[in-house]
Amino acid sequence: DVKVTQSSRYLVKRTGEKVFLECVQDMDHENMFWYRQDPGLGLRLIYFSYDVKMKEKGDIPEGYSVSREKKERFSLILESASTNQTSMYLCASSFWVGTGAQPQHFGDGTRLSIL
Amino acid sequence: GNSVTQMEGPVTLSEEAFLTINCTYTATGYPSLFWYVQYPGEGLQLLLKATKADDKGSNKGFEATYRKETTSFHLEKGSVQVSDSAVYFCALRNDRGSTLGRLYFGRGTQLTVWP
Repeated sequence: DVKVTQSSRYLVKRTGEKVFLECVQDMDHENMFWYRQDPGLGLRLIYFSYDVKMKEKGDIPEGYSVSREKKERFSLILESASTNQTSMYLCASSFWVGTGAQPQHFGDGTRLSIL
Repeated sequence: GNSVTQMEGPVTLSEEAFLTINCTYTATGYPSLFWYVQYPGEGLQLLLKATKADDKGSNKGFEATYRKETTSFHLEKGSVQVSDSAVYFCALRNDRGSTLGRLYFGRGTQLTVWP
């Protein structure tokens, strides 16, 4: 089975801190994604990556950055955490092939609270 | 552009009732369509998918048919169970252009089934 592992289920940080959320997948997937999930807003894409050291902005990249130094690991960085970044963060991965039928596999999420 | 609209919840049903969750999409070309399910405290799991017009995806008693003429992918189940209580997300993947395998999600529909 595909395994996408997020380093923390719950995290509490303070305003202004630099926060790292880690995600690891074990299926040699090319694509990796970071979403945030908020009530009434569904899932919104923050950043994604289709290869090592490659990244693309999603719909809401402001206040975030990412790092992908190894194929299996994709990190989300909150440069200076703010209270409006309190949310559930979901990582996902998938193969990138031309068929379009490749599903994304999700981790269990990190519930981040910024105080 | 690419977008997904799904019926707003919450949806509350009694056990063994019939379920329909509506989903319509906007996309150029021929996207792949997905339904994901999120159980409490977990990440998203793929429920079913369809890759071309008139395809029917099915899993665990759920079904959805890709209707290009109405740009719809409605989720149905003939007899729901308490264990089906979850949030359901409709999504599309469109590999035209530079979307690089990203998914576009609807906002999710909360389903609660009472015994």
